[in-house]
Amino acid sequence: EPEVTQTPSHQVTQMGQEVILRCVPISNHLYFYWYRQILGQKVEFLVSFYNNEISEKSEIFDDQFSVERPDGSNFTLKIRSTKLEDSAMYFCASTQGNQPQHFGDGTRLSIL
Amino acid sequence: QKEVEQNSGPLSVPEGAIASLNCTYSDRGSQSFFWYRQYSGKSPELIMFIYSNGDKEDGRFTAQLNKASQYVSLLIRDSQPSDSATYLCAVSPPNTGTASKLTFGTGTRLQVTL
Repeated sequence: EPEVTQTPSHQVTQMGQEVILRCVPISNHLYFYWYRQILGQKVEFLVSFYNNEISEKSEIFDDQFSVERPDGSNFTLKIRSTKLEDSAMYFCASTQGNQPQHFGDGTRLSIL
Repeated sequence: QKEVEQNSGPLSVPEGAIASLNCTYSDRGSQSFFWYRQYSGKSPELIMFIYSNGDKEDGRFTAQLNKASQYVSLLIRDSQPSDSATYLCAVSPPNTGTASKLTFGTGTRLQVTL
C-alpha cells in the first residue's frame, strides 16, 4: 500500500539554525499538509498546499516557516531560525482530495 | 476558536469488551469526521471516517455521528490488547471537503486489560 514517507526520522539542531524536513507524499495525491505535535499535546495544523501554493495556514505558521514542492515528488517544510519551542513531532499528510488524509511516520525535531 | 473535545482517559476495558470513545465538536457546520489511532511515539493512523448522521461499521469498529448533538463516537467491539492506544477525533470545517485541514482533539487513551 502506498505510504507517505518522511525524512529524517529524528533531527537534532541547535537553536537559531535552519532545518528542512522532507516528505514524499503518495504519488497520485494532490493536497499536502504539515501538522505538528508537541509532546503530550494535540496534533495541530500548520499549513496546507495545493496546486503549488499554500491554500491555508495557521497562526503557528509564521514568517519563520515556509513550504516548497521543489520537484514532482518532494514536499518540504523549512524553519528558518529554530526556537526551543519548535521541538515537536512534525507530520506530513496527503490526500487525493476526496479521501481522508494519510500521515507519514513523522520527524522528531529536537532543538538544543 | 473551534474546538474538538475528548475525555483524555485513560479508559480501561477488559479484553473482549466494547470500548466506547466519545467526541464533541463546537462548529455546528462541520462536515467530515475522522477517528485516528495513535500508538505512543507513532503517527496517526486512520481507523474510520463518517460524513452522514447515523452509524458506519467496519469490522470491529463502528463510528456514530449525531450532528444535532454535535457528537461523534467510536465503538470498538471485542477489544484486544493491541487496541491499547490513543484515539484521536478529527473534524474538518464547514463547507469544505476532505481536502481541508483537520482539527484534532487531545485524544482518549484506551487501555485494554487482560
